[in-house]
Amino acid sequence: AQSVAQPEDQVNVAEGNPLTVKCTYSVSGNPYLFWYVQYPNRGLQFLLKYITGDNLVKGSYGFEAEFNKSQTSFHLKKPSALVSDSALYFCAVSPISGGYNKLIFGAGTRLAVHP
Amino acid sequence: KAGVTQTPRYLIKTRGQQVTLSCSPISGHRSVSWYQQTPGQGLQFLFEYFSETQRNKGNFPGRFSGRQFSNSRSEMNVSTLELGDSALYLCASSPAQGLGTGELFFGEGSRLTVL
Repeated sequence: AQSVAQPEDQVNVAEGNPLTVKCTYSVSGNPYLFWYVQYPNRGLQFLLKYITGDNLVKGSYGFEAEFNKSQTSFHLKKPSALVSDSALYFCAVSPISGGYNKLIFGAGTRLAVHP
Repeated sequence: KAGVTQTPRYLIKTRGQQVTLSCSPISGHRSVSWYQQTPGQGLQFLFEYFSETQRNKGNFPGRFSGRQFSNSRSEMNVSTLELGDSALYLCASSPAQGLGTGELFFGEGSRLTVL
């Protein structure tokens, strides 16, 4: 079965420190990979995606993600966290079959950045 | 450009009733997808419409249905409501044709409570 795992329910980090939010996936073929963010009482916002090419993808708000095919991982990173980064982060994959807008989401990781 | 607009934002229904949710995509976007978000099941894909045709469907019972109009606006309907249908229903639009890109623009959602 196709799935996305976000092993941490919550990640706590001090403002100014680097952050990592982990994601691993189990999907056959070469899927598209995504990160979305959800702020309280809001819909999801697209952060970045990986299709092919360079394993390090840069996205919105200073976030980047590293694709590792051998580990089937796609971890979200930021060199210096801000309090305003506190939100719920979702990793998602889009299997090749069925169209790319049919996303399989992970359970989400709550990021808390402390002043 | 105006974002994705969902109406109503909040609604309360009782078991056995039916509900219709509406979504207006970003102007020029022809693909509309629907997702259900619950604390227990997370984000789950319901269906996607493109040019008034359903081109993708998730694993939901037939009580869940949708349609898309010629102006790309979309509605989803849930009949014979059950308590477990209580959720945030998110609509997302996408500009891409073909199989899409997975880069979705989400509305703020319609929060349905079933009593």
